[in-house]
Amino acid sequence: GQQVMQIPQYQHVQEGEDFTTYCNSSTTLSNIQWYKQRPGGHPVFLIQLVKSGEVKKQKRLTFQFGEAKKNSSLHITATQTTDVGTYFCAGPGGSGTYKYIFGTGTRLKVLA
Amino acid sequence: GAGVSQSPSNKVTEKGKDVELRCDPISGHTALYWYRQSLGQGLEFLIYFQGNSAPDKSGLPSDRFSAERTGGSVSTLTIQRTQQEDSAVYLCASSPRGPSGANVLTFGAGSRLTVL
Repeated sequence: GQQVMQIPQYQHVQEGEDFTTYCNSSTTLSNIQWYKQRPGGHPVFLIQLVKSGEVKKQKRLTFQFGEAKKNSSLHITATQTTDVGTYFCAGPGGSGTYKYIFGTGTRLKVLA
Repeated sequence: GAGVSQSPSNKVTEKGKDVELRCDPISGHTALYWYRQSLGQGLEFLIYFQGNSAPDKSGLPSDRFSAERTGGSVSTLTIQRTQQEDSAVYLCASSPRGPSGANVLTFGAGSRLTVL
């Protein structure tokens, strides 16, 4: 079945450093979503990308969808302690379905 | 309601007992999802309901797990003869299931299940 892998699994950064997490799908995706889960919380939607090569920005966060629509990345510039949490990508588990398969997640820790 | 509501928030049960977890999605959302998250792990897909279509049960780990959705709204996830490995947080999400740009999943706070 479809697999969605993320690297790295964990990342510790000093406050102010940049952070990037990478998402790779075993199949082509019609769209990809990103979610953030704070410690002890539930996943919260961040953004959806649909077009090949699409780049979207939300303040210090930059999201990119690969040309082949099989990979994506999330880059955070100048991390802050509020960025702590686990970042998940998610994509439809097959054509014509909206069953979303989540990536393995990247847990970010920001050291003040 | 304003958000996705799940109950109970915490459930402690003994091995071998049956448990029922409830999810009340956002009003008007036609799609409903159940995921399982073990401690420190990712989200494991369990089951997906879309309107009146047959649910996608491909993620249910064993025949001890079942789910239903009544009237296109409230859903119940049932685990029979619970095992210790069933201990996890069970997350429910709903989405409006519109055009491809509108399938944002809104999650509930989850039901934490502990099997002793």
